[in-house]
Amino acid sequence: GQQVMQIPQYQHVQEGEDFTTYCNSSTTLSNIQWYKQRPGGHPVFLIQLVKSGEVKKQKRLTFQFGEAKKNSSLHITATQTTDVGTYFCAGGSSWGKLQFGAGTQVVVTP
Amino acid sequence: GAVVSQHPSWVICKSGTSVKIECRSLDFQATTMFWYRQFPKQSLMLMATSNEGSKATYEQGVEKDKFLINHASLTLSTLTVTSAHPEDSSFYICSARVGNEQFFGPGTRLTVL
Repeated sequence: GQQVMQIPQYQHVQEGEDFTTYCNSSTTLSNIQWYKQRPGGHPVFLIQLVKSGEVKKQKRLTFQFGEAKKNSSLHITATQTTDVGTYFCAGGSSWGKLQFGAGTQVVVTP
Repeated sequence: GAVVSQHPSWVICKSGTSVKIECRSLDFQATTMFWYRQFPKQSLMLMATSNEGSKATYEQGVEKDKFLINHASLTLSTLTVTSAHPEDSSFYICSARVGNEQFFGPGTRLTVL
């Protein structure tokens, strides 16, 4: 079945630095979604990418969907302490089912 | 965005008892809801897809007789963990699909003693 792999599992970032988390699927995806989960909280939708090669930006966050629709990345610039949390990618099927990656836990030091 | 609620937010029960968790869409109708389980520091694992008015679709390895799902209305899906055991202790989260976006409930933390 479809597997979604995400790296790194853990990212320790100095405030102000940039970092990237990567997501790879074993199969071609209908879409890819990104979620953020704060400690003790539930996942919150960030964005969905649908088109091959699509790039979307949300302030300091840049999301990219690969040409083959099998990989994606999330790049955060000038990290802030509010960026702390776990970022999950999730491969979406056409009928709405999501396969979550393992997540990247981000810790930010001032 | 759409709001999904869950009740209870946490529950502690004795081994062997059954626990019911409710998932409600508050300001929209959801024909499809999803149930996930998340163990500490792990990802969300899809357990089943709950369809209003029909049987739930379970993921491989999830026992349908142990995790009973009922989606009797367009705003409510319930997950009942039957004869719960300590290994069932986890964070259970539901979500509802609105268009291409999924909105998650706040989750229910189940602890089985």
